Amino acid sequence: NAGVMQNPRHLVRRRGQEARLRCSPMKGHSHVYWYRQLPEEGLKFMVYLQKENIIDESGMPKERFSAEFPKEGPSILRIQQVVRGDSAAYFCASSPKTGGQETQYFGPGTRLLVL
Amino acid sequence: AQSVAQPEDQVNVAEGNPLTVKCTYSVSGNPYLFWYVQYPNRGLQFLLKYITGDNLVKGSYGFEAEFNKSQTSFHLKKPSALVSDSALYFCANTGGFKTIFGAGTRLFVKA
Repeated sequence: NAGVMQNPRHLVRRRGQEARLRCSPMKGHSHVYWYRQLPEEGLKFMVYLQKENIIDESGMPKERFSAEFPKEGPSILRIQQVVRGDSAAYFCASSPKTGGQETQYFGPGTRLLVL
Repeated sequence: AQSVAQPEDQVNVAEGNPLTVKCTYSVSGNPYLFWYVQYPNRGLQFLLKYITGDNLVKGSYGFEAEFNKSQTSFHLKKPSALVSDSALYFCANTGGFKTIFGAGTRLFVKA
């Protein structure tokens, strides 16, 4: 059973460009979570999605950031007009069910560098 | 408000010695507590979790953690450290849809 997959693993963008980060959850998992990790810091929750629905986006910046999890295909985290402060590692996690007791399984992350 | 604290940025221990990585939490309602480990340039790997039941939870790679409700703590322990245990360790608490992570503790195990 393949784990959570994220691509690209590394992404370099210039200021003002768009970044698209993709996450394929584990087979059988329909719940996806995105987190951001700044250097030497812990993970910060961004958004929680189920298929075709955004359930909780309280950690997402109000502008330039959006996320989706379509019926078919991977979940996408989209950052428009990137700035240097967006440079971070972005992790996706998935779980088979929702609820605080469910373990989230993490992908390897996408490391975004904004020049 | 929900929060997780890892009071030590770094823990140093000699190989073969016991290790403890500390975690305290603050939550309204029942805590769902997790430990994850992160190796360089990798994602987080699940070690163990406390949901309910026995206060001593056993997990992967010989790790265990003790839930202490009165002290609101969930310290990670291992009886005998290995050099390969050197990594970044995160404590987390999940309430509702959101998981709150501690800032992380870097563990160095010296041969």
